[in-house]
Amino acid sequence: DGGITQSPKYLFRKEGQNVTLSCEQNLNHDAMYWYRQDPGQGLRLIYYSQIVNDFQKGDIAEGYSVSREKKESFPLTVTSAQKNPTAFYLCASSISGGLDTQYFGPGTRLTVL
Amino acid sequence: EDKVVQSPLSLVVHEGDTVTLNCSYEVTNFRSLLWYKQEKKAPTFLFMLTSSGIEKKSGRLSSILDKKELFSILNITATQTGDSAVYLCAPTQGGSEKLVFGKGTKLTVNP
Repeated sequence: DGGITQSPKYLFRKEGQNVTLSCEQNLNHDAMYWYRQDPGQGLRLIYYSQIVNDFQKGDIAEGYSVSREKKESFPLTVTSAQKNPTAFYLCASSISGGLDTQYFGPGTRLTVL
Repeated sequence: EDKVVQSPLSLVVHEGDTVTLNCSYEVTNFRSLLWYKQEKKAPTFLFMLTSSGIEKKSGRLSSILDKKELFSILNITATQTGDSAVYLCAPTQGGSEKLVFGKGTKLTVNP
């Protein structure tokens, strides 16, 4: 089946620990994105990548890091520098940037204790 | 600063009612506008609108864009309980190719 997978579905971490969220797609899409969603808020863009080995900061990149070593994979690391990491994290991909529709993965709910 | 305002923020209707959800936007170098439906997890794509005045339709859902007045509406006719969700509007910012999301409209359809 083609699609976007995120793992794990739920993640708990202690304050001060770095944590990496996985995002994989087998749609052969060039562009991938990470969003954060807080209760009652719209999605906010953290990082995006339009091509392998290249990525750009979104609107709220502070405290996060990413890599794009493979076309299929775009992992997001939430570092201890992120002050309010508890949130719902969504990964998306599109054929390329621009007018192409973004398709979303199922999300990871991160809770920092 | 880019801005997307969706209204109403929350709406409760009965099955069979017709609803209209609104999205107004101010986005630099606007390219297109997307509508998504979110039911607890991943947003699912509904429509992409690029041209003014051309209605897009999918079953009981339809949407239209007005690029002069900078807004879009999403209509749902004969609502069903399965339509209960948060509906997100997201214009695309050209150049950066980013989506700018509104906060969404939470629709609850009661039987």
